Amino acid sequence: AQKVTQAQTEISVVEKEDVTLDCVYETRDTTYYLFWYKQPPSGELVFLIRRNSFDEQNEISGRYSWNFQKSTSSFNFTITASQVVDSAVYFCALSEEGFNKFYFGSGTKLNVKP
Amino acid sequence: DARVTQTPRDKVTEMGQEVTMRCQPILGHNTVFWYRQTMMQGLELLAYFRNRAPLDDSGMPKDRFSAEMPDATLATLKIQPSEPRDSAVYFCASGFWTGPTGELFFGEGSRLTVL
Repeated sequence: AQKVTQAQTEISVVEKEDVTLDCVYETRDTTYYLFWYKQPPSGELVFLIRRNSFDEQNEISGRYSWNFQKSTSSFNFTITASQVVDSAVYFCALSEEGFNKFYFGSGTKLNVKP
Repeated sequence: DARVTQTPRDKVTEMGQEVTMRCQPILGHNTVFWYRQTMMQGLELLAYFRNRAPLDDSGMPKDRFSAEMPDATLATLKIQPSEPRDSAVYFCASGFWTGPTGELFFGEGSRLTVL
């Protein structure tokens, strides 16, 4: 079974639109960690955020915000007022207790058009 | 800026040749992962180390792949013999895990093309 599911393969928006990238995870551990990474066209994977399972507070960082809901096993990522530079593939990831393994979703490709 | 360094950045080789990819983790990090990325399979975990000890290499084809950490500043991934299906981008990532804290930082990747 997929540990991390990113159902949206590709999303296209026009600049300044808000966009939400979905992430659903599956784990039996009570302690786990969720992550988002950005992979721009240049190819490197850039760390964006980490969330611990015991901290359900949502987070906002500039135009980025994350909505963690344990009840639905989701960790969604919203970009407000998207910009062309946001165009990238975004990966959601899960690490279970002990930081053993790191399960990545299949990624969502975001295209932001001017 | 501390970063994970991978070499080579690009490698083109012929089927049957040995390929060695190297990774210098961020100083002080105690966990190192190797991933392979392809269009078809996405990001696949090949192996990972904690304090230089291999914890899991079940993602690697054992007959041709090997991963080692000869010291804390170097991780290697070797393919011998290489095959065209090994063509992919190979990422090394390192992190310092203490439980409540820890992130994983990726290198820029090594793009391997096996002809």
